[in-house]
Amino acid sequence: DIQMTQSPSSLSASVGDRVTITCRASQGISNYLAWYQQQPGKVPNLLIYAASTLQSGVPSRFSGSGSGTDFTLTISSLQPEDVATYYCQEYNSAPFTFGPGTKVDIK
Amino acid sequence: QVQLVESGGGVVQPGRSLRLSCASSGFRFNSFAMHWARQAPGKGLEWVAMVSYDGSKKYYADSVKDRFTISRDDSESTLYLQMNSLRPEDTAVYYCAKELRGYYMAVWGKGTTVTVSS
Repeated sequence: DIQMTQSPSSLSASVGDRVTITCRASQGISNYLAWYQQQPGKVPNLLIYAASTLQSGVPSRFSGSGSGTDFTLTISSLQPEDVATYYCQEYNSAPFTFGPGTKVDIK
Repeated sequence: QVQLVESGGGVVQPGRSLRLSCASSGFRFNSFAMHWARQAPGKGLEWVAMVSYDGSKKYYADSVKDRFTISRDDSESTLYLQMNSLRPEDTAVYYCAKELRGYYMAVWGKGTTVTVSS
């Protein structure tokens, strides 16, 4: 099974800051990587699939990159509504493991 | 618009069974793979199971293999999760989700809560 790790586990940044979250797969997954946002008390929401394709309706300040084993999610200018936990998930092969999550809040 | 509505959750004793349902609308159900995922209280997301668009492929997390069964009824546009031999560690909110152009979870339901406790 593929293991997914994320770093950092949490971060605190100011409004307007650029934020980067890293996700690493234990073996190569090509670009079969999705990112989800879960705001406090809410249902998870797809942000990015195929490592870098923005889901319809997601603000353009979110972007993704990477291929193989190393991936990043970037928020170009952090907004108050971005307070959430962010999860990566590989969908290259079952079981489709989620990363442990990165909690983002405002400083 | 796409809607997924889970039901069937509740409080159940360890060792007992429960069947979750996910009623769908707003899309051609028999054209898409469907997933179940769960989230234990205060914990992260855990993928549970997936069934392919035609029901021919089913995949499970190791933690539920041989206890849970995913199925679909295309005539009713409904996804199911049969959960047997339930354990306290199965306590979670269970979400169903629809794939789009790959086995990622594009649209999520609001979830149903399962509590396994004596």
